[in-house]
This record gives sequence, C-alpha cells and structure tokens, in this order.
Amino acid sequence: RKEVEQDPGPFNVPEGATVAFNCTYSNSASQSFFWYRQDCRKEPKLLMSVYSSGNEDGRFTAQLNRASQYISLLIRDSKLSDSATYLCVVNPRAAGNKLTFGGGTRVLVKP
Amino acid sequence: GAVVSQHPSRVICKSGTSVKIECRSLDFQATTMFWYRQFPKQSLMLMATSNEGSKATYEQGVEKDKFLINHASLTLSTLTVTSAHPEDSSFYICSARDFRTGGTYGYTFGSGTRLTVV
Repeated sequence: RKEVEQDPGPFNVPEGATVAFNCTYSNSASQSFFWYRQDCRKEPKLLMSVYSSGNEDGRFTAQLNRASQYISLLIRDSKLSDSATYLCVVNPRAAGNKLTFGGGTRVLVKP
Repeated sequence: GAVVSQHPSRVICKSGTSVKIECRSLDFQATTMFWYRQFPKQSLMLMATSNEGSKATYEQGVEKDKFLINHASLTLSTLTVTSAHPEDSSFYICSARDFRTGGTYGYTFGSGTRLTVV
C-alpha cells in the first residue's frame, strides 16, 4: 500500500461548480499535512496547510480526519484557473522533515 | 515568503557528461534541503536530503555516486548528475523549509530543472 494515495482523476468540473476529493495516508503518526498545487511542467506551490480543526482559505476548504486517516480538499465556485494537479503531502513523524507526496489529483475546470 | 532559486531551468546534455544543478535559499538559511525527481505523469520522489556541512542522506535505490550532493553553505545546495544517461532525463526539484515562521510557509520549492539527456 502506498504511504499517501490519491484518486488520479481527472475530475472534470463545470466552471462555478464545487469539487471535492480525498487523500488517504497510511502512517497514523503523521503530524503535518499540506495541499500543494502543481501546474503542468512547473514546481509545486503550497495551496494550504491542513489543520486538525479544518481550515478555509477563500474558496478552498481542507479537512483532516485522523480517525480514518484522510484529508480532503473542497473547491467552491471553481474557476478555469483552478485547473491543475493537486498534491496531497504528508510529513510522517518518524521521517524528520521529509515529505511524502501523493500521486496527485488532476482537476480540469471547463467553461 | 521564503524563496528558493534553482538553476538552470532547462538543460540538454550529451550522454556521458555531467550536469550540475544549483539550489539557493534567497532570504533564509536552509540547513536542510531536499532533492526530488519527477518523471512524466508521476509524483515527486525524494532522492536525497542535503545537510549543510555533512553528507547527504540518500533514499533507497538512489545511487550516491551518480547523484552527487554538496551543501557547503547555509544557502546553497548542488546536485550533480554524473555520467548522465537518457534514463536520467527527468524534472529535478529542490525544496527547503523556512523555520523562522514556525513552518507556516510549508516547504518552498525551486522552479525545477528539466534535464534531457540525448
């Protein structure tokens, strides 16, 4: 089983719609969680950290479910510019500062 | 926010030659930097952890004699791909974390180097 798993998609989303997807992680001792966005042939960029209580940043909402070991990302009012690959990133406690990346979920927002 | 500069952004080299990639933290000191490799349609895979003033720690399956890492200062880490072959063609990305703010910036990535070996 992979340490961090994501549905690769693509999620085809009409502009203005809401899309949500999850990421599961296998290490129950994981301590830090992030969502990164990666555009084609570019470096990943931090979208948001994920906190235990859940957090929101504009149209983006992240949730953490430690009991079921998954995090989620919800995008409201999707824009064409939201089209990208969203990477779930986990910092396992035993790994020091190393990050483990999921394979990414591709989102395509269409007019 | 924290900025990591990576050069070159793109390089094409002949098989058998060596290529050096530089990664600099511009506005913070990075005692640790990370080097990743990403093949097309795959996620980032950690190759090694670069520690300032000491030897790098390589992930399983990564040849340390082929991928030479030097982290001689708190702001610069280099990755040298020695005797490159076409199968080394990939997107190489460095990353560092700015701990001044308690890590709220997360890990900052360089812009990546697209290596093509012909």
